[in-house]
Amino acid sequence: QVQLVQSGAEVKKPGASVRVSCKASGYTFTTYDINWVRQAAGQGLEWMGWMNPSSGDSGYAQKFQGRLTMTRNTSITTAYMEVSSLRSGDTAVYYCARGTTKYGDYDYWGQGTLVTVSS
Amino acid sequence: IHMTQSPSPLSASVGDRVTITCRASQSIGTSLNWYQQKPGKAPKLLIYAASILPSGVPSRFRGSGSGTDFTLTISSLQPEDFATYSCQESFSNSYTFGQGTKLEI
Repeated sequence: QVQLVQSGAEVKKPGASVRVSCKASGYTFTTYDINWVRQAAGQGLEWMGWMNPSSGDSGYAQKFQGRLTMTRNTSITTAYMEVSSLRSGDTAVYYCARGTTKYGDYDYWGQGTLVTVSS
Repeated sequence: IHMTQSPSPLSASVGDRVTITCRASQSIGTSLNWYQQKPGKAPKLLIYAASILPSGVPSRFRGSGSGTDFTLTISSLQPEDFATYSCQESFSNSYTFGQGTKLEI
């Protein structure tokens, strides 16, 4: 069965960077995009960006340009999302999600990773 | 593209028929997805391409609309349906979500 398993919770200081991993299994990793979505406490879902695991191509939401990097290691079917220059407003649960090519929907999601930014 | 949902929150009872609306700031065809999210859990895909139910989603859920106006209808609320519902456009490269509608008892 398709599974996306994310790395554990992180606590970071302002100005630091955080990398969250997303381990995919149960399907061919390179045939579906991986997207990242975050959710601050009590807030809605915020799309961050996408990555094509086959080519490594990626696209980021404008507000994260310059601070967000998405990469992958196809040998271990794992996607990574790194945010730099963290601030308190980045405190949120971060989700990876598999995106279908035809309709752009996200049919499988990781369990979420809480990133807390605090001095 | 900006996505606006209404109402928020929405109060209803078991057995009620409810409708949630999602409006896009520009036409997006039928590139509209709905997700259900329960507290502490990841979102779950409920409807894609405006009206298609993934396998396993109960038939009491129905999506409709095109262009800028979309609706999610639950024909007869069950206890497990009380959750937050979010729409998402997949027309642009921004994949914007609506702000979410919390469906409360």
